Amino acid sequence: SYVLTQPPSVSVAPGQTARITCGGNNIGSKSVHWYQQKPGQAPVLVVYDDSDRPSGIPERFSGSNSGNTATLTISRVEAGDEADYYCQVWDSSTLRNVVFGGGTKLTVL
Amino acid sequence: EVQLVESGGGLVQPGRSLRLSCAASGFTFDDYAMHWVRQAPGKGLEWVSGISWNSGSIGYADSVKGRFTISRDNAKNSLYLQMNSLRAEDTALYYCAKDSSSSWGLSIDYWGQGTLVTVSS
Repeated sequence: SYVLTQPPSVSVAPGQTARITCGGNNIGSKSVHWYQQKPGQAPVLVVYDDSDRPSGIPERFSGSNSGNTATLTISRVEAGDEADYYCQVWDSSTLRNVVFGGGTKLTVL
Repeated sequence: EVQLVESGGGLVQPGRSLRLSCAASGFTFDDYAMHWVRQAPGKGLEWVSGISWNSGSIGYADSVKGRFTISRDNAKNSLYLQMNSLRAEDTALYYCAKDSSSSWGLSIDYWGQGTLVTVSS
């Protein structure tokens, strides 16, 4: 089955740029979606189809995807961005299963 | 406003069954695929099962295949998960989630608040 690999944690100072990676075999050929989950809350979609933002999501959130790595970039990080972030793809090789990465804890220093 | 409200969770003994329900509102339910996603305490997200708009396409994670059954009733705007032969490792918060397409293969754009299932003797 398809595996997505994320770093367990990323730390960044307020106002700086955070980059969270999601690795997978030829992930650049798939559409990658990103979710933000704050403690005690349900996940929220922040980026879909590699780089599109749902309405209401700040422009500070952006995404890219190429080769074996997809990246969620959060510019001008704020304290309120501290959360767990998950990448997700659809694995067409396993009867259309949905696959999540293990998640990355973003800490704002 | 899209709302997904799960119910049916609780404490259940290993080997027993439980049925989760999800009441959907705020969108045309039978236009979209739906999913169940779970999260064990302190762990990450795990996709459990998905169902297309007309129930014509259904998928399960290997960890629940043969034990769980997903279904939907479009007339009642409701999604279900029948869970049989429950194990301790099924203990998790179970989220009902809406796909952004009629089949799946796109993103999950709305999530409920979850219902907690605890499997323990």
